[in-house]
Amino acid sequence: ETGVTQTPRHLVMGMTNKKSLKCEQHLGHNAMYWYKQSAKKPLELMFVYSLEERVENNSVPSRFSPECPNSSHLFLHLHTLQPEDSALYLCASSRRNRGDLPLHFGNGTRLTVT
Amino acid sequence: DAKTTQPNSMESNEEEPVHLPCNHSTISGTDYIHWYRQLPSQGPEYVIHGLTSNVNNRMASLAIAEDRKSSTLILHRATLRDAAVYYCIHGGFGNEKLTFGTGTRLTIIP
Repeated sequence: ETGVTQTPRHLVMGMTNKKSLKCEQHLGHNAMYWYKQSAKKPLELMFVYSLEERVENNSVPSRFSPECPNSSHLFLHLHTLQPEDSALYLCASSRRNRGDLPLHFGNGTRLTVT
Repeated sequence: DAKTTQPNSMESNEEEPVHLPCNHSTISGTDYIHWYRQLPSQGPEYVIHGLTSNVNNRMASLAIAEDRKSSTLILHRATLRDAAVYYCIHGGFGNEKLTFGTGTRLTIIP
């Protein structure tokens, strides 16, 4: 149990579908992150939310749309994805403060786009 | 991007100490050095972090070179559960600056 829960654990979707990934944390953290992990590639930071405001968007295609309704929940809305978007999507949270406190990751959603 | 250099893979015998090296020659004076590990089918897990002094916790020790351009993660007595990919990263204020590399895949031999 990591304290960060991601659902679903696995998702298969067609290129015309719309789906959402959900992340929930009850660690009292005030920052949440989406990362993408493709096979044999480093983790790629996608989005960062701090105090429910997006503070980082690393040139992610618009077919990925994040939403952070409160400090405990984070969503990644997916639409018209491509097969190359198949990857492990990881959510993380932290308490933003001087000193770079650690990231707490969930176990990810394994996404397959067919 | 903050870059680090780690060996792609390492092997160690069970119950032996393991020293995982990392070079971070572009580190700035205010960057922390972080280590995470990722076990199979799990998200990365925080291991340890430090700024200048060596650090110890229940999982590992972190030895930081005097010039801060390299560091070593030390597992004092490896177990099979320590088999994972270990990531060394450094970054400035705010975790959004933490850039993960490809890490070191550690294999523990029984």
